[in-house]
Amino acid sequence: GAGVSQSPRYKVAKRGQDVALRCDPISGHVSLFWYQQALGQGPEFLTYFQNEAQLDKSGLPSDRFFAERPEGSVSTLKIQRTQQEDSAVYLCASSPRTSGTYEQYFGPGTRLTVT
Amino acid sequence: SQQGEEDPQALSIQEGENATMNCSYKTSINNLQWYRQNSGRGLVHLILIRSNEREKHSGRLRVTLDTSKKSSSLLITASRAADTASYFCATEPNQAGTALIFGKGTTLSVSS
Repeated sequence: GAGVSQSPRYKVAKRGQDVALRCDPISGHVSLFWYQQALGQGPEFLTYFQNEAQLDKSGLPSDRFFAERPEGSVSTLKIQRTQQEDSAVYLCASSPRTSGTYEQYFGPGTRLTVT
Repeated sequence: SQQGEEDPQALSIQEGENATMNCSYKTSINNLQWYRQNSGRGLVHLILIRSNEREKHSGRLRVTLDTSKKSSSLLITASRAADTASYFCATEPNQAGTALIFGKGTTLSVSS
């Protein structure tokens, strides 16, 4: 079956522009996570959804970052007034469970470059 | 940063040799997972070990977990060129639905 997909795969934005990154999780997966991965680093948590509810947004670095999942499936991560430090790969992951032991299924990521 | 630490940061070996990567973490966990990431691609789940398990095998992979030392190791036996990738450990804290906490990764290079 289809895995997690993300679009666009690559995005170049000029400083100050707004961007929107899309994640299509595996169908039926309840949990959805966004991570930010800087070059040479491991992924860092941004935010977590259980269905349409955003249960944890403690990892969002500033109020310029906003995520939504209005129908409990597709999610969008929006970054307003992009800055150079926002340049990173943004990874989306989904999981079929809300608790207990589980693995996460990752998409290929969107590489954002802010110039 | 909430990340754990892996060592070594980089490892270069010949095909057929074994590769061992270590991971240390800070918090109490439900489980620890290892992921692989090929250049420019997403992470692929390799193996999961629960906090009450000490060792687990999957194919050429062997994972150990020592919760008293808050450490884990990943052994890849009889390595292949296709094993060249970055390897990350990730811990699931003792809370339902919370995100994984990743280490900084070990970059493995296997030459033929």
